[in-house]
Amino acid sequence: NAGVTQTPKFQVLKTGQSMTLQCAQDMNHEYMSWYRQDPGMGLRLIHYSVGAGITDQGEVPNGYNVSRSTTEDFPLRLLSAAPSQTSVYFCASSYVRTQGHTGELFFGEGSRLTVL
Amino acid sequence: AQSVTQLGSHVSVSEGALVLLRCNYSSSVPPYLFWYVQYPNQGLQLLLKYTSAATLVKGINGFEAEFKKSETSFHLTKPSAHMRDAAEYFCAVITSGTYKYIFGTGTRLKVLA
Repeated sequence: NAGVTQTPKFQVLKTGQSMTLQCAQDMNHEYMSWYRQDPGMGLRLIHYSVGAGITDQGEVPNGYNVSRSTTEDFPLRLLSAAPSQTSVYFCASSYVRTQGHTGELFFGEGSRLTVL
Repeated sequence: AQSVTQLGSHVSVSEGALVLLRCNYSSSVPPYLFWYVQYPNQGLQLLLKYTSAATLVKGINGFEAEFKKSETSFHLTKPSAHMRDAAEYFCAVITSGTYKYIFGTGTRLKVLA
């Protein structure tokens, strides 16, 4: 099984450029999310979605957009890249429990982004 | 609001020694707690999870964790460290009614030969 697939794995951008990080999952998970990982700061939630057409902000949403048109895909868009967005980005998915939270997260392998 | 604190950003143990990685949480409602492991240049994978069924939780690779409500702790242990356990470990919390995982800042485990 492919699980959660992220592309690209590496990307270098110049300040002000835009790009989209792709994330796809084949587990029919309702919940999908994006995190950024920075040294000493753990993982911080950028945006998440609990189903097609539903998205919400996490801890650090500024500078990022998301949409969820299908269950499988959850792209993350950087509209105007800044050096502060240099990071490793992880997409993760999960099922949604009836109690109003998710189960364990299944992660992609990450996308390393450098903004010059 | 929920939060997670991992004490010690770096922990070193000798091969065969006890591993203890500390995690304390803050939550106003019963939490669901997780430990994830990240090997170099990889994504995170689940080690174990606490979802209120049992306070002592066993995970993969010989790891276990005990949920202690009175101490608001969920420390990760392994009786005997192996070289392959060298990785970064993250504690995380989520509560009912939210869809926001909160991760700790991570503890990098080094295993000495």
